[in-house]
Amino acid sequence: DTAVSQTPKYLVTQMGNDKSIKCEQNLGHDTMYWYKQDSKKFLKIMFSYNNKELIINETVPNRFSPKSPDKAHLNLHINSLELGDSAVYFCASSHLRGTEAFFGQGTRLTVV
Amino acid sequence: AQSVTQLDSQVPVFEEAPVELRCNYSSSVSVYLFWYVQYPNQGLQLLLKYLSGSTLVKGINGFEAEFNKSQTSFHLRKPSVHISDTAEYFCAVSDLENQGGKLIFGQGTELSVKP
Repeated sequence: DTAVSQTPKYLVTQMGNDKSIKCEQNLGHDTMYWYKQDSKKFLKIMFSYNNKELIINETVPNRFSPKSPDKAHLNLHINSLELGDSAVYFCASSHLRGTEAFFGQGTRLTVV
Repeated sequence: AQSVTQLDSQVPVFEEAPVELRCNYSSSVSVYLFWYVQYPNQGLQLLLKYLSGSTLVKGINGFEAEFNKSQTSFHLRKPSVHISDTAEYFCAVSDLENQGGKLIFGQGTELSVKP
């Protein structure tokens, strides 16, 4: 009965490929996020959607494109993957913006 | 811009000893404050939160934190740690008014509990 689930958990791919990470939440939350955790474990927000509307778009390369087909799903598509994209990507959701966020288990992306 | 500083990157401690993980934030407006824990190869789990009200906040697993507005601090404490508390701990702040509600995280503190 996972609250925030992401797939896949691990993703190994070659430079230049395009890949997607899917996220679903069954908590009925209105707001969803993508965070990136680098090799030093530093967490930084990438995007935030509220009721399918993009509200936060940090300085992320435009090779990263989020898509929210409905308020329970927020997918992340990455074009032309680079070595520096290797990281753990976390999806999260919250009931109200600014309140506690519930995180998925993460997707460890390795670009070789 | 909002920032969060966790003053210790690593905290080694013996089992059953008390521990304090320090967190300071910079803000001139009202904020919400959080502590999250991350066990190896897992996601982040909320330990506790401060939204308003009492400045002493109790969370899960015996942890508590005190919000100090004058010192802009939100230190995490536990009176007696267990081996199972070994994990990475993150302090976070959100500022709905200016930052769209996103969480700004500190650099993390690695708590290592030794027998």
